[in-house]
Amino acid sequence: DTGVSQDPRHKITKRGQNVTFRCDPISEHNRLYWYRQTLGQGPEFLTYFQNEAQLEKSRLLSDRFSAERPKGSFSTLEIQRTEQGDSAMYLCASSPLGSASTDTQYFGPGTRLTVL
Amino acid sequence: SQQGEEDPQALSIQEGENATMNCSYKTSINNLQWYRQNSGRGLVHLILIRSNEREKHSGRLRVTLDTSKKSSSLLITASRAADTASYFCATVLPTGGGNKLTFGTGTQLKVEL
Repeated sequence: DTGVSQDPRHKITKRGQNVTFRCDPISEHNRLYWYRQTLGQGPEFLTYFQNEAQLEKSRLLSDRFSAERPKGSFSTLEIQRTEQGDSAMYLCASSPLGSASTDTQYFGPGTRLTVL
Repeated sequence: SQQGEEDPQALSIQEGENATMNCSYKTSINNLQWYRQNSGRGLVHLILIRSNEREKHSGRLRVTLDTSKKSSSLLITASRAADTASYFCATVLPTGGGNKLTFGTGTQLKVEL
C-alpha cells in the first residue's frame, strides 16, 4: 500500500515563472487537500477536492493559484507568475469518505518551493 | 490563519523523561488531532480526540481535551531520541468545511541522549 506521493520534492524557480506540482493520493481516497507551510509555522489550508469537484478554496489561494483534479485521482497545483512570498512547503493530503476514519488525513512528503 | 497557539514553542528534554505540550484553540470543534513532523518532511497523524471525549491513550501518547477552556495537551511518556520532531495540534470544525484541518503553530521537541 503506497502512501501519498508528491512530485517534485524540491523546486527552485525564478520570480515570474510558472510552476506546477503533482499529488497522487492513496488510491480510493475521495478527498484530497492542499496546504501550504512556511518556515516555523503550521500548515495552512489552501483547497480541497471531493472526487473531481473542488469544494472549497481558502482566501490564501489568489488568482495566480489554480488546482485541478480532473479524474478524481491525482491533483495538480499550479502557481503562475511566482513571487518570492510563494516560497513555502506545499503539502498534499488525502482521506477516505464515508467512515469514521475520514477525519484522519494522510500527508505526502511535500514539495518545497524556492522562488529566487 | 492559525486556529490556535501551542505552548511551549520549543522543548528540550532528556531521553526517558516525559514531554508535555499544550494547544489552545479559538472556536468550537468536532475533533482535535495531533500530528508529528520530522524536519522538512510531511506530517504523520498521531491521535484524534473528539469533542465529547476528555482523554485518550495510544501507546506512549496521552491526549486530554477541555472544551470549556478550548485547550488540549499531548503527553509523551518515556521519550526517545526518535521522538525529536515538531508536534502540531489541528482542529476540525463541527460542520461543513470538508474536515479541513486548522493547525496550531507547533512545538519543537528535542530529546537528547
